[in-house]
Amino acid sequence: DAGVIQSPRHEVTEMGQEVTLRCKPISGHNSLFWYRQTMMRGLELLIYFNNNVPIDDSGMPEDRFSAKMPNASFSTLKIQPSEPRDSAVYFCASSSGWGQYFGPGTRLTVL
Amino acid sequence: RKEVEQDPGPFNVPEGATVAFNCTYSNSASQSFFWYRQDCRKEPKLLMSVYSSGNEDGRFTAQLNRASQYISLLIRDSKLSDSATYLCVVSLSSNDYKLSFGAGTTVTVRA
Repeated sequence: DAGVIQSPRHEVTEMGQEVTLRCKPISGHNSLFWYRQTMMRGLELLIYFNNNVPIDDSGMPEDRFSAKMPNASFSTLKIQPSEPRDSAVYFCASSSGWGQYFGPGTRLTVL
Repeated sequence: RKEVEQDPGPFNVPEGATVAFNCTYSNSASQSFFWYRQDCRKEPKLLMSVYSSGNEDGRFTAQLNRASQYISLLIRDSKLSDSATYLCVVSLSSNDYKLSFGAGTTVTVRA
């Protein structure tokens, strides 16, 4: 069975550019999570969707970050404009109620 | 104070040894507890849930002490493949929404 799919796996961009990260959750999972991981701050929850509806976005750092989930099989996390401090690994995870399953992550570097 | 605190290690142990480590959590209202494993440059993966009565999964034993607000993980007969970072995870909800991750304990098993 396919797990959580994320793309791209690596992204290098310049400060000020727009970055879009993509996620396809495991089929049948009704919850989707976006996380960010850095050495300094560890793993942080950015936003949580349930049945495609954003439930908690209190972890989104600022207005430069936005996330959408137009349907049950697709979600995006957008950063516009990007800044060097956004450099991190961004994980998407999905769940059907017990146990979150993480995608392989997108390693973002903003120069 | 961090919600979940862990000894970062590293714990360096020979194959076949037993290794154990704890984490503490700050919110006494926490309801769900997990251990995740993260290999270098990979995504976190659910290792096991932690139940009040303690539970085993093969060579892994997890314990929860609500009175002292700590969770432990013990690995018996350690294998080279057990080398990883172990993340202690706590949730205020009865399901796994809004997980709080510890920074992780690194275990290295040597031949």
